[in-house]
Amino acid sequence: EVQLVETGGGLIQPGGSLRLSCAASGFTVSNYYMSWVRQAPGKGLEWVSVIYTGDRILYADSVKGRFTISRDNSKNMLSLQMNSLRAEDTAVYYCARWGGNHFFDYWGQGTLVTVSS
Amino acid sequence: QSALTQPASVSGSPGQSITISCTGTSSDVGGYNFVSWYQQHPGKAPKLIIYDVIDRPSGVSNRFSGSKSGITASLTISGLQAEDEADYYCSSYTTRNPLVFGSGTKVTVL
Repeated sequence: EVQLVETGGGLIQPGGSLRLSCAASGFTVSNYYMSWVRQAPGKGLEWVSVIYTGDRILYADSVKGRFTISRDNSKNMLSLQMNSLRAEDTAVYYCARWGGNHFFDYWGQGTLVTVSS
Repeated sequence: QSALTQPASVSGSPGQSITISCTGTSSDVGGYNFVSWYQQHPGKAPKLIIYDVIDRPSGVSNRFSGSKSGITASLTISGLQAEDEADYYCSSYTTRNPLVFGSGTKVTVL
């Protein structure tokens, strides 16, 4: 059974850093494109970043230069390092697996990041 | 990249059919058959219900169907049930980014 479990969320001050992790089971993360998607409170979904199987990486303009996505194949995990956090980064962050042509077939339960002083 | 345009809310009575639209541009919805739809209940993660415009993942009810015409994709829910009350998001491949989501539609079962 495919499972994605995110951890690492919490309350952080503006300008601070936080690292999110996503533990995968039931499949091998190195064989799939993997993404982070976020959802601000009461708002819609926003794609954040993707890491392709060949390690090509893309970011949304809103996080480019501040967030770094990575994959640890030995631990079958995905991570998101978030630096220079802003109030507008407050959201539930989901880890998601790409199922094929630009869609997500499995999602984690999400982890809440709150950026506030 | 602006979000794809969806109606904020759609409602219907049990047993009825409703349709949710998702309007983009020729650089996303209109240019590629890579539209997907997600259902999200309050406090839960999104769930894939339609991919590649018309395909349903295994286990998803055939009451959900997708289509596309020009720059507008649509999700139809037939035989509306109380459990269908949720938020629905479309998504599409886009030339500028890997993908873009719609603004979301709240479905209410009257």
